[in-house]
Amino acid sequence: DVKVTQSSRYLVKRTGEKVFLECVQDMDHENMFWYRQDPGLGLRLIYFSYDVKMKEKGDIPEGYSVSREKKERFSLILESASTNQTSMYLCASRDYSYEQYFGPGTRLTVT
Amino acid sequence: AQSVSQHNHHVILSEAASLELGCNYSYGGTVNLFWYVQYPGQHLQLLLKYFSGDPLVKGIKGFEAEFIKSKFSFNLRKPSVQWSDTAEYFCAVNAAGTASKLTFGTGTRLQVTL
Repeated sequence: DVKVTQSSRYLVKRTGEKVFLECVQDMDHENMFWYRQDPGLGLRLIYFSYDVKMKEKGDIPEGYSVSREKKERFSLILESASTNQTSMYLCASRDYSYEQYFGPGTRLTVT
Repeated sequence: AQSVSQHNHHVILSEAASLELGCNYSYGGTVNLFWYVQYPGQHLQLLLKYFSGDPLVKGIKGFEAEFIKSKFSFNLRKPSVQWSDTAEYFCAVNAAGTASKLTFGTGTRLQVTL
């Protein structure tokens, strides 16, 4: 079974802090994704990566950056957290068939 | 850019009732279509997917979906729901030429009562 893990289930940060969300997959997938999930808005793509050190902006990249130094790990960075970044963050990796496998999510609260 | 619409935001059904959740997308080319489910406290998992071939696809737990190209629709169905089907359901589309990107609908919250 594909396993996608995220470093934290719950995180509380203060406005202006730098926040790192880590995601690791164990299936050697090339493609990895970061989404945020908000009630009534569904999942929105923040960034994705199709290879090590390669990244592309998704639909809502503003305020975020990413890092992919190793194939199995994809990090989402909030350079200066703001209250409107309070959300559920989901990481996913994709196999050859376009099916995406999701992690459990990190519920981030910015106060 | 493609978009996905799920018109039912919250559906309440009694056990054994039949279910149909609507999904429409806007993209004129080739698409891959997915339904994902998120049970309370759990992570998103795939229910079923359509790439090509028979437009009626069957997934896990008795769910099926029908791709109707002329209507740009991929509705999810189940003949008889169970209390354990209470969850949020998301339709997603991958349009040809958009690399790996999936575009998700806003989700439908299904509540099944005993």
